[in-house]
Amino acid sequence: QKEVEQNSGPLSVPEGAIASLNCTYSDRGSQSFFWYRQYSGKSPELIMSIYSNGDKEDGRFTAQLNKASQYVSLLIRDSQPSDSATYLCAVNRGFKTIFGAGTRLFVK
Amino acid sequence: ETGVTQTPRHLVMGMTNKKSLKCEQHLGHNAMYWYKQSAKKPLELMFVYSLEERVENNSVPSRFSPECPNSSHLFLHLHTLQPEDSALYLCASSQVAAGGKWELFFGEGSRLTVL
Repeated sequence: QKEVEQNSGPLSVPEGAIASLNCTYSDRGSQSFFWYRQYSGKSPELIMSIYSNGDKEDGRFTAQLNKASQYVSLLIRDSQPSDSATYLCAVNRGFKTIFGAGTRLFVK
Repeated sequence: ETGVTQTPRHLVMGMTNKKSLKCEQHLGHNAMYWYKQSAKKPLELMFVYSLEERVENNSVPSRFSPECPNSSHLFLHLHTLQPEDSALYLCASSQVAAGGKWELFFGEGSRLTVL
């Protein structure tokens, strides 16, 4: 079982729609959860962090965490072509931050 | 200079060469990381240094040798690499403290090609 699993996509959504990205993790001791965005040829950039169960909203982005289900998600509202990128889910326990393989998102 | 800077951005080396990757962070963080990113694979954690002490070594072959002389600088020394070591090597930093948030800030990466 992979430590962090994401659907590799690609996920294609029309401009203005909601994009929904999902992630599951295996280590129940994980403490911090992140979403990074990576444009082609660029390095990952932190866009959301979440540390407790529930929802966290920041502009058009909402992160959701359910520790009982070991599930993290990212919603992007009013998707824009500039949101087209690979989204990496990351899970942290102490000095180890483990990344999923990423979901490619296309906004047309 | 701001953020995390990596040099060189691109490196081509033969299997018998010795080279080094350099990373410098200007964020005042106290932990630095090396990650490897290969095509179609998740980022792989290689090494972690906190306050210049190595705290993680993720079963990385000895042909990769890290060095952290101070909290702002991190090196990855490379020798007798294999073609499968060709990848993007990413340096990151974070601030580690009680209740720390463990948010990573990445440099632009060093693209390594081993011939």
